[in-house]
Amino acid sequence: DSGVTQTPKHLITATGQRVTLRCSPRSGDLSVYWYQQSLDQGLQFLIQYYNGEERAKGNILERFSAQQFPDLHSELNLSSLELGDSALYFCASSVDIGDRRRDEQFFGPGTRLTVL
Amino acid sequence: AQSVSQHNHHVILSEAASLELGCNYSYGGTVNLFWYVQYPGQHLQLLLKYFSGDPLVKGIKGFEAEFIKSKFSFNLRKPSVQWSDTAEYFCAVNSRAGGTSYGKLTFGQGTILTVHP
Repeated sequence: DSGVTQTPKHLITATGQRVTLRCSPRSGDLSVYWYQQSLDQGLQFLIQYYNGEERAKGNILERFSAQQFPDLHSELNLSSLELGDSALYFCASSVDIGDRRRDEQFFGPGTRLTVL
Repeated sequence: AQSVSQHNHHVILSEAASLELGCNYSYGGTVNLFWYVQYPGQHLQLLLKYFSGDPLVKGIKGFEAEFIKSKFSFNLRKPSVQWSDTAEYFCAVNSRAGGTSYGKLTFGQGTILTVHP
């Protein structure tokens, strides 16, 4: 158990819909990262939040957005869903204090999204 | 931009065979290197990591990796695999690209390891 929790575990929805994925980081971790794992694209970084603010953006579609709340949990919002959005969405957290030895990312169990 | 390449998509071994999975990265600056394992239906778990110092890094479950800076490589090895090592293995890198954070991980495509009893 990494200490990172994600809900829900599975999500099945239809094209055009909107869903929200939730992530709670490990206690004390300020950074939350979102990654998408799909068969054709592999594991790709989507977005990072640090202490409530967006810090880095990767290959995140405009239909996707995220935020990090004052209690440091994060939500990833996916809208106007398409079949190709079906994937495993991982959240990771880290202390992120600029110490290479300690800035390890711990991954949550993921949310498997199926768009029908 | 950094990138990571894993040479083998699928490796099939018998128990007790030795394992070496290749990983090359492209980035000219200071990097941190990682190997993660993903067992079927589970999340990513860190096997080992390299930040600096001894280029031979030992991780959990008997795995080790060697960082060869001149070759931009970070190959994963295990002298004798077990059936329970069947999983997908990911090489990853992050780097200090400004600021204090080492930030996002860039992953390789993954190598599926199947170990037959």
